[in-house]
Amino acid sequence: KQEVTQIPAALSVPEGENLVLNCSFTDSAIYNLQWFRQDPGKGLTSLLLIQSSQREQTSGRLNASLDKSSGRSTLYIAASQPGDSATYLCAVKTSYDKVIFGPGTSLSVIP
Amino acid sequence: GAVVSQHPSWVICKSGTSVKIECRSLDFQATTMFWYRQFPKQSLMLMATSNEGSKATYEQGVEKDKFLINHASLTLSTLTVTSAHPEDSSFYICSATEDSHRGYTFGSGTRLTVV
Repeated sequence: KQEVTQIPAALSVPEGENLVLNCSFTDSAIYNLQWFRQDPGKGLTSLLLIQSSQREQTSGRLNASLDKSSGRSTLYIAASQPGDSATYLCAVKTSYDKVIFGPGTSLSVIP
Repeated sequence: GAVVSQHPSWVICKSGTSVKIECRSLDFQATTMFWYRQFPKQSLMLMATSNEGSKATYEQGVEKDKFLINHASLTLSTLTVTSAHPEDSSFYICSATEDSHRGYTFGSGTRLTVV
């Protein structure tokens, strides 16, 4: 059974810092991995999608890496801004076409 | 890009009543849609997979008779919470994908409060 964990559960950083969010999954047989952002009481916004054959994806200040063999993905946020404050979720798509979510990392960027 | 619309965004209902939530793919067809539930400060939990033209597939522990799913067309899936109780209060989100090689697009979610 696929399990997804995220570390840390919460993170508070001053504005301008670079930061890394971690995601781990127990079964390396994934189809893809997706990082989402969720603002309080809102739906999910897709940030980056990494296919199982890819190693990383970049979008603006965001960079996500994927190491399938070790069951890990990281989301790197450069030059953090207060507007980046949100909960970040990683999710893996399994071979059974299910998407399993991690518990999320709550990020606060302090002005 | 792919857009998924979910309605209503919030609803308050009395115990014992039923509530219907709609999920529409606006610019693509989705043979499969997914329904998730999220309790406060917890992650999303998959409730069921909605298949167009056939019965939904429910995850273990999800009551089929309580959470009725209908996928009547390639662009619409509905989730009906029947005989709602306060413990059903939660955030419900649907998702769909345009094709299996792409990521998933999520609706904006529905905040259900049962009083």
